[in-house]
Amino acid sequence: QKEVEQDPGPLSVPEGAIVSLNCTYSNSAFQYFMWYRQYSRKGPELLMYTYSSGNKEDGRFTAQVDKSSKYISLFIRDSQPSDSATYLCAMSAGAQKLVFGQGTRLTINP
Amino acid sequence: SQTIHQWPATLVQPVGSPLSLECTVEGTSNPNLYWYRQAAGRGLQLLFYSVGIGQISSEVPQNLSASRPQDRQFILSSKKLLLSDSGFYLCACRPGLYNSPLHFGNGTRLTVT
Repeated sequence: QKEVEQDPGPLSVPEGAIVSLNCTYSNSAFQYFMWYRQYSRKGPELLMYTYSSGNKEDGRFTAQVDKSSKYISLFIRDSQPSDSATYLCAMSAGAQKLVFGQGTRLTINP
Repeated sequence: SQTIHQWPATLVQPVGSPLSLECTVEGTSNPNLYWYRQAAGRGLQLLFYSVGIGQISSEVPQNLSASRPQDRQFILSSKKLLLSDSGFYLCACRPGLYNSPLHFGNGTRLTVT
């Protein structure tokens, strides 16, 4: 079993829809959680960084962490074609190396 | 905030040729530096990381090596490239605080022919 599982998609939704991206993990020591957005032929860009359970909101993006279920989510409201990208979850147990999900390829259709 | 420079953006090299990819970081001191490889449709594979000058940890035994001659310079090298070395190579930086997130450069797309 992989430490971090992420559905690779692809996921295609109409413009304006609410998008839900998810990752599950098996290591209960993980306490720092990140979401990255990666456009084609570019490096991953940090979108959200959270610590502990709960929600964190930044504009149209909300990151949710449920440590009891070992489950994290990224919600995108009012999705735009410019949100089309691959989204990677990542997590760590502090000083240890980050563990990445495989990435979910998202397309927002105008 | 830190800025990560990687070059070249694209590289085509024949099998058996040497490789040198350079990464430099601005805006932070004593960063942890990383080299990742991303194969098409696959996740990120950590190749090397460094917590200081001359300190290199290898994650995957392979045809590549890394060096850190200066605090904010990280170099990925190979003496003889293999076809399997093709991929998207990303340099990443994590400021000294252990719980800080990783920041990536824009990568080098290497094609070995």
